[in-house]
Amino acid sequence: EAQVTQNPRYLITVTGKKLTVTCSQNMNHEYMSWYRQDPGLGLRQIYYSMNVEVTDKGDVPEGYKVSRKEKRNFPLILESPSPNQTSLYFCASSGWGVRDTQYFGPGTRLTVL
Amino acid sequence: AQTVTQSQPEMSVQEAETVTLSCTYDTSESDYYLFWYKQPPSRQMILVIRQEAYKQQNATENRFSVNFQKAAKSFSLKISDSQLGDAAMYFCAFIFGNEKLTFGTGTRLTIIP
Repeated sequence: EAQVTQNPRYLITVTGKKLTVTCSQNMNHEYMSWYRQDPGLGLRQIYYSMNVEVTDKGDVPEGYKVSRKEKRNFPLILESPSPNQTSLYFCASSGWGVRDTQYFGPGTRLTVL
Repeated sequence: AQTVTQSQPEMSVQEAETVTLSCTYDTSESDYYLFWYKQPPSRQMILVIRQEAYKQQNATENRFSVNFQKAAKSFSLKISDSQLGDAAMYFCAFIFGNEKLTFGTGTRLTIIP
């Protein structure tokens, strides 16, 4: 089954404790991206990747890191999480670029205390 | 600046009736792509419909259709024969020249049995 998976689905952590949210797709997609969703703000892009070893900032990259060492994986790293990073996070992928239909993962609910 | 506006935070419709969700945008680009995404209570983001700005014909997908008015910069979604399963948050989204998917703030649709 073609899908985008994210882990964990739920995470409660404390300020400053490094964490990684994994994202994996099995569709051989080139384009992958991360979004955060906050009430009243819709979804905002954090980082995106056009292909392996190619990443770029979205609208709200501060406090986040990403890497794209393999085509299928695009982890989101919070080196020192803060309460303002409490949010719902989505990973998405598409075949040949952002203009192609994007497939979203199920979301990760992160709470930073 | 490129902006996307959904002016209706909440809407409701009687089951089997028709409802229209509005979305307006502002851009100086001439080539762009427009989308409507649905987010049911499961939080999964699901593509409902896609429209290319260069196409004059409005896109349709079964009970879902758009009214794309390029000169007015309006992109509304019409849902016909509303069903209980249509209850969700609906987001319009655009890809302008910078190859970034920009979302509106969403409209919560309630279906009244």
